Amino acid sequence: DAKTTQPPSMDCAEGRAANLPCNHSTISGNEYVYWYRQIHSQGPQYIIHGLKNNETNEMASLIITEDRKSSTLILPHATLRDTAVYYCIVRVPNTGNQFYFGTGTSLTVIP
Amino acid sequence: DGGITQSPKYLFRKEGQNVTLSCEQNLNHDAMYWYRQDPGQGLRLIYYSQIVNDFQKGDIAEGYSVSREKKESFPLTVTSAQKNPTAFYLCASTDRGRGRASLYGYTFGSGTRLTVV
Repeated sequence: DAKTTQPPSMDCAEGRAANLPCNHSTISGNEYVYWYRQIHSQGPQYIIHGLKNNETNEMASLIITEDRKSSTLILPHATLRDTAVYYCIVRVPNTGNQFYFGTGTSLTVIP
Repeated sequence: DGGITQSPKYLFRKEGQNVTLSCEQNLNHDAMYWYRQDPGQGLRLIYYSQIVNDFQKGDIAEGYSVSREKKESFPLTVTSAQKNPTAFYLCASTDRGRGRASLYGYTFGSGTRLTVV
């Protein structure tokens, strides 16, 4: 199963863009990259996903490198409510849609 | 609105007791999952079920049991054999069809915090 590597923590100034990196060098061709976030003591919340094209929705943008070995989640204008743990997950194929969560990146948005 | 409901939000258990955590979804999702989260750590898979009356062990199934008698329900029992049950438990579901909806991944409940007293 492909695994991901994320920095354990990051800070971002309120109103600035938060760029969260993720390495997934062993990703296979049919695996998607997913991002979730978890605010303290709540269930993780889906943010965005992509296969190989860059994606954007109302919450964030996802930039995937051409070789698909890494990606970046961009929160364009971080707010204090974006303080959370962000998980980058590569979807395991043909195993019942299991998602393997690592320890993620703890993002702190600073006023 | 559709979603997943976990109950109770907080649960206290005496040592040696079995307790059951409830997870109900009205999303018509086929697959359901139970994860355990310890402080400062990621989520670890306990059990999962892809269809009714079928379930599989995850990475840390010892000391836990599940049932899937109905599509919308996937209760988790923490047995007395689980030596360190104090943790945050999360239930999730997903559509395992081939349509685009299945690509959106998990929907999570709000979790149950279990404490052994």
